[in-house]
Amino acid sequence: DQQVKQNSPSLSVQEGRISILNCDYTNSMFDYFLWYKKYPAEGPTFLISISSIKDKNEDGRFTVFLNKSAKHLSLHIVPSQPGDSAVYFCAASRSRSGNQFYFGTGTSLTVIP
Amino acid sequence: DAGITQSPRHKVTETGTPVTLRCHQTENHRYMYWYRQDPGHGLRLIHYSYGVKDTDKGEVSDGYSVSRSKTEDFLLTLESATSSQTSVYFCAISLLAGGPLTGELFFGEGSRLTVL
Repeated sequence: DQQVKQNSPSLSVQEGRISILNCDYTNSMFDYFLWYKKYPAEGPTFLISISSIKDKNEDGRFTVFLNKSAKHLSLHIVPSQPGDSAVYFCAASRSRSGNQFYFGTGTSLTVIP
Repeated sequence: DAGITQSPRHKVTETGTPVTLRCHQTENHRYMYWYRQDPGHGLRLIHYSYGVKDTDKGEVSDGYSVSRSKTEDFLLTLESATSSQTSVYFCAISLLAGGPLTGELFFGEGSRLTVL
């Protein structure tokens, strides 16, 4: 059973506009969340993370929002650039339990020049 | 750059044959992981290691075994490959001193395995 879900397999956005990628989780024990970016034929690369004690974390053009009551997180990319075109995975963990990170199925973002 | 390399990068094999994938790191990180990526499933943890000869199962460990006889190498073995094991396999290490609880995994470039 998929504990982390990304319900939009793909998203297209115009360059310069905002990209919003969504992620839902089912396990209320998750308390650490991450976003990874993946280009074809490469491994995923870490983008940004957030702990459950926060509801927002920013890093440059990337902001992650966490809504614990809704078990929902989102990644905002502003402004979107063509180089942002990639597959984005969200992931979650129960940090106190150790080593398992649960990944979503990914959203393929295309930024149109 | 965490200096992580996977080999082979591509392999085609037949059902029932054994396959070993190798993950090599150059920076002495304690924690290493094997994931598989499949359409519709994202990345799923197969096995992980928290030190030499210390390994544990992930969520999809059936049909796989691992070994870690030295810090720099983490081997994933399919004793008898099946078509359901056709996938892209990623090795990962934890970069931060706090280990996996801090969350930042660094992934290798992947090994694409096709089982006919």
